Amino acid sequence: EAAVTQSPRNKVAVTGGKVTLSCNQTNNHNNMYWYRQDTGHGLRLIHYSYGAGSTEKGDIPDGYKASRPSQENFSLILELATPSQTSVYFCASGGLGGGEQYFGPGTRLTVL
Amino acid sequence: AQRVTQVQPTGSSQWGEEVTLDCSYETSEYFYRIFWYRQLFSGEMVFLIYQPSFDTQNQRSGRYSVVFQKSFKSISLVISASQPEDSGTYFCALSERWTGGLSGKLTFGEGTQVTVIS
Repeated sequence: EAAVTQSPRNKVAVTGGKVTLSCNQTNNHNNMYWYRQDTGHGLRLIHYSYGAGSTEKGDIPDGYKASRPSQENFSLILELATPSQTSVYFCASGGLGGGEQYFGPGTRLTVL
Repeated sequence: AQRVTQVQPTGSSQWGEEVTLDCSYETSEYFYRIFWYRQLFSGEMVFLIYQPSFDTQNQRSGRYSVVFQKSFKSISLVISASQPEDSGTYFCALSERWTGGLSGKLTFGEGTQVTVIS
């Protein structure tokens, strides 16, 4: 039973449109993270959260917003999508102790 | 600023051989952790092992172990008795300042794609 799920798994959006990527975790972890992975690269942190109601900027936050309405849910929002945001997006959850993170299956986003 | 480098973009081995993957990192922190993940061909990220900076003992987990050279800011992942199922992309990641409920956020290297030939 997958503990971190993401929806949608695939998304095609138009330039200038709004995109919301959703993540749900059943690990009861306080921390959640959004990363993007571009071809041939490692993951880069966009936003993260310590718990419900909190969001923090990661290393590449420009053009993205995040929302953490509950312990289980963490969303990534692209208000005005651009082709440069075409990527694979991963959500992860992790405990307070900073141990390993558990990743969702990823969302492949294409912005045309 | 933290940075993680994996200079081997690809590697291959024969079934049963030992595989060593290298990673170097930059950090000004005293306390940190280095994680290793494998990305399957499906895209799934799987946690393998981690090394805390304050632990002088190299960590082991099943067929995975690390060789930690703290003074050189270098760490290697060793996979013993490699199998075709070990094929995938291996990422090294640095986590700083996890104490007191801080982020535990990860900085990843570029990854090393490994193919184990049967």
